[in-house]
Parts: sequence; structure tokens; C-alpha cells
Amino acid sequence: TQLLEQSPQFLSIQEGENLTVYCNSSSVFSSLQWYRQEPGEGPVLLVTVVTGGEVKKLKRLTFQFGDARKDSSLHITAAQPGDTGLYLCAGAWAGNNRKLIWGLGTSLAVNP
Amino acid sequence: NAGVTQTPKFQVLKTGQSMTLQCAQDMNHNSMYWYRQDPGMGLRLIYYSASEGTTDKGEVPNGYNVSRLNKREFSLRLESAAPSQTSVYFCASSEPAAWAGPFNQPQHFGDGTRLSIL
Repeated sequence: TQLLEQSPQFLSIQEGENLTVYCNSSSVFSSLQWYRQEPGEGPVLLVTVVTGGEVKKLKRLTFQFGDARKDSSLHITAAQPGDTGLYLCAGAWAGNNRKLIWGLGTSLAVNP
Repeated sequence: NAGVTQTPKFQVLKTGQSMTLQCAQDMNHNSMYWYRQDPGMGLRLIYYSASEGTTDKGEVPNGYNVSRLNKREFSLRLESAAPSQTSVYFCASSEPAAWAGPFNQPQHFGDGTRLSIL
């Protein structure tokens, strides 16, 4: 069974703080996607990482793919209330490209 | 800029009733998916259609059927609804790259159908 574990499960911080959330697995992925989901809406793609060790930046969000392509992290600098939401990672399993493994998500609340 | 449109947005059914959830995308994507999202379980794939004319079972297909009506539309049918099917259902689409299967490309989601079965 392939599992994609996200941590922490819940995070509540004050505006302006920095945070990192993690997405870990024992499986190798051909690519990994990060999504943000707001209440009452579907997930929206933030970024896709493909190469081991790859770092991508999206304004105050920095995404990193592990060298072995088994894990990823999302770092948010100076969090704002607009960053509040459920952050989901999803890995395309390298085994046969016919499955997307979803984590359960990190629920982030940024308080003004 | 509609993207992926799901109807209805909310529905309450009684056990044993049937219904069809509708999904349409206007991005000319080849691949479409149906997921359910439950607390503590995350997103689980019910069925997908890699391209028009094909459908395949996902992780939790029991109790559901799908129809890929054309390239734009992919419907999900519950023939005899059960309380265990109470969930939020999401439709998604993607455009597979030539070098990889459908799951390596970003998925575009609708806003979901909230389904309660009493």
C-alpha cells in the first residue's frame, strides 16, 4: 500500500509567522503536486515538482522535492490570512503512472 | 472561464434512490475523474476516463457507475444510494502529456457536489 503522509495535520499560527508542512512517503514518485483547497471549493493546483532536489517558488511559498523523490515540503514565509486553507499533496506513483496518491492534507489557519 | 462545472451543488436522497451527478469541462481535456472526499479519508478515486470512450475503476468503484458521454462530459450514477455514500463528490479533468499517463498532469477540479443520503 502506498501512503503519502502529511504533517502536521492541523496548524494554527499568527499572521507574519513562517511555517513548513511536510509530505512523506516510502514510495518513489515521478512527480508530486501541491494543491490548496478552500472551504466549499475544489482543490486548486499550486505547483508540480518533477526532478529530485527541485525547488520552486510561488511568491511567499517555496516547494521542495526530495532528492530521492519520496518526499516534499512546502514553506510559507510571513503567512497571511489569505493562506488559510487545506494543503494537499498528491504523488504520481512511479510504478506504472496509473495512480495518483493523495495525502490527507494539512489544515492551516492564519489568524490576523 | 468556467473550467469544470458540476451539478447539482447539493442533494439529499433517501436510501435506495438513484441519481446522476453531472460534470462538464470546457478545457478540451482528454482525461476526467470522479473522486469522493470524506473526513479522515482524503480524496479517493472512484472512476476515471483516460480518454473519450474509455473508463476504468479507481480505488472505490463499488456502488457507482460512470458514463463518458463525450469529450466534455463525464457523469457518475448511484443506482441505489446508501448512507455510506454520503460524501462530497468532486469531478476533475486533466490533459495527459505524451510522455506520461494521465496522473502526471495537474488536475482541475470542480467545486463539488455535497450529497447526503438518509
